Parts: sequence; C-alpha cells; structure tokens
Amino acid sequence: QQQVKQSPQSLIVQKGGISIINCAYENTAFDYFPWYQQFPGKGPALLIAIRPDVSEKKEGRFTISFNKSAKQFSLHIMDSQPGDSATYFCAASKPNSGYALNFGKGTSLLVTP
Amino acid sequence: DAGITQSPRYKITETGRQVTLMCHQTWSHSYMFWYRQDLGHGLRLIYYSAAADITDKGEVPDGYVVSRSKTENFPLTLESATRSQTSVYFCASSVRGVPGELFFGEGSRLTVL
Repeated sequence: QQQVKQSPQSLIVQKGGISIINCAYENTAFDYFPWYQQFPGKGPALLIAIRPDVSEKKEGRFTISFNKSAKQFSLHIMDSQPGDSATYFCAASKPNSGYALNFGKGTSLLVTP
Repeated sequence: DAGITQSPRYKITETGRQVTLMCHQTWSHSYMFWYRQDLGHGLRLIYYSAAADITDKGEVPDGYVVSRSKTENFPLTLESATRSQTSVYFCASSVRGVPGELFFGEGSRLTVL
C-alpha cells in the first residue's frame, strides 16, 4: 500500500503563479521528508528536504511546509517558471531500510508562459 | 566521470527470458537501491543493499534477484521476465543510510513482449 499519498496528480499553473503540491503520511516512524524533481528521460533529483522538528524550510523559490500533528507536508513553488515544468515526488523515509525512500505517486506540473 | 551509471538504457526482451540490468557507482556509497517507475504508481522500491554481500527486499521484490559482490556494482536480474515487469528501472545510491540525498541514475527502460 502507498505509504505516502500525494495530490494533485497533475497541475497547470501560469508563469509567475504559485504551485502547491500536498502529501500525507501515516507512519510516525518517518523522520525525513524530501521532495524530488524529475525531468523527462532523467532520474529524480533532490530538490529540498525537511526533518519533522522544523515546520518550514525555504530554499530560493521552493518552500516545504510541514505539519507534524496532521502528518502532512507540502511543496510551494513561488513565481513558477516554465523551466519548473517537471514531475515532482514527495517522499518519506525512516531509519530502518537505510532510509530508503517511500515515494508518493507524483505530480506532473506544467507552467504555461 | 564520477557518478552512477546504468546499462543498458533501453532493452526489449521476450517473456521468459533472463535480463540483467547493471548499476555502477563511483562514489563508494554504502547504500544502493533499485526502484521501478510505473505510471500511476510513482517509484517503488524493489531491493536495497547496505554494503557488499548485504541485500534486503523492498516493497515489490517478487520476480527479481540482486547481488552485490563489490561495493560499486549492484546488478538487478529478472530471472524469467514477464510483461508486468515492463517498466523504467532506476538505480540509486546514498552515502551511509542516514537521512540524506539519494543519487539516481538515468534509468533503464525495459520492455517485455
């Protein structure tokens, strides 16, 4: 069963707008929550990550918001650009299994000019 | 160049044949992982390895075999390929199995006819 639920499946945003992708998890043993970005024909690459002792982390135009009590976290992309068009995956991992990532199903983001 | 490389990048085979996908990393990372990516499922963990000669099952291990005789190599074998194993396979590595980045290869696209 999917341990990390991600929504929406696809998203269209105008250039300059805000893209928001949401994820939820159930397993409280998860203690690392990264977001990966994937372009067609390429492997996923780490975008930004957060630990549960922090409620928000910002890196440039990308922000993770984390709500530990609700077991939810989200990615906000400010001032979205056409170059941000990609598939985004949220993930969660825990100490056993070597912090192998449990991925959400992905969100296909299209930023229109 | 340093990094993680997968081969072959594209493979077409027939049902019942044995196929081996290769993965090689030059960083001497302890942990290595195999994921499969399918539309509507995101990335799912097949097997992972903490070190040479140490491997363990992930979420979807059935029909796959792995080995890790050397730290830098982590081949994935489909002993008798089935159509349901048509997928894009990604190999990844991480430094020590602590919370941190997984580095992904560019993927191997396998089609089973």
